[in-house]
Amino acid sequence: DADVTQTPRNRITKTGKRIMLECSQTKGHDRMYWYRQDPGLGLQLIYYSFDVKDINKGEISDGYSVSRQAQAKFSLSLESAIPNQTALYFCATSDDGSQDTQYFGPGTRLTVL
Amino acid sequence: GNSVTQMEGPVTLSEEAFLTINCTYTATGYPSLFWYVQYPGEGLQLLLKATKADDKGSNKGFEATYRKETTSFHLEKGSVQVSDSAVYFCALREKGAQKLVFGQGTRLTINP
Repeated sequence: DADVTQTPRNRITKTGKRIMLECSQTKGHDRMYWYRQDPGLGLQLIYYSFDVKDINKGEISDGYSVSRQAQAKFSLSLESAIPNQTALYFCATSDDGSQDTQYFGPGTRLTVL
Repeated sequence: GNSVTQMEGPVTLSEEAFLTINCTYTATGYPSLFWYVQYPGEGLQLLLKATKADDKGSNKGFEATYRKETTSFHLEKGSVQVSDSAVYFCALREKGAQKLVFGQGTRLTINP
């Protein structure tokens, strides 16, 4: 079984809809991250969380919110989706001891029409 | 601010060719440097890393040397295989910082 899972893997939605992307991990890591990937732009950090009570904004948090429901779960929400949020979204985890290595989920491809 | 610049892709090579993917960085201190690889349909995986100047990271036949004088961390492999086809990301993390800064990625295609 994969250590970091994301659901859904693909989603098509309409402008203005609320969308939630979910991430679960079995690695026992405290640190979790949400990134978006756009062609030619690499990965940009949206939000990150160092434990259940510690959530921080990344580079591009506007239009997004997150919830850390448990150590193993970190959800990303788009309150009112817009077309320029069409992208590939990745969740990642790392442990406290070695922040260098992040473990990524398989990604969620989101299309906003 | 910190940034990472990779060579433009896509890169297409024949099997057994020599590979170089250039990466240069801008940082205020002495960051740790990384190469991540993304195979089709998958998330990113750490390929190799180097944490200080002159360190060489290596894995699966790939190598990269941390060059402080040229602020570079170029990825090399002596003989590529079709299975190396993927997108490669260079990244850095400043000492004491909590997040990675990624380059834009370079798509590599290896033809048999």
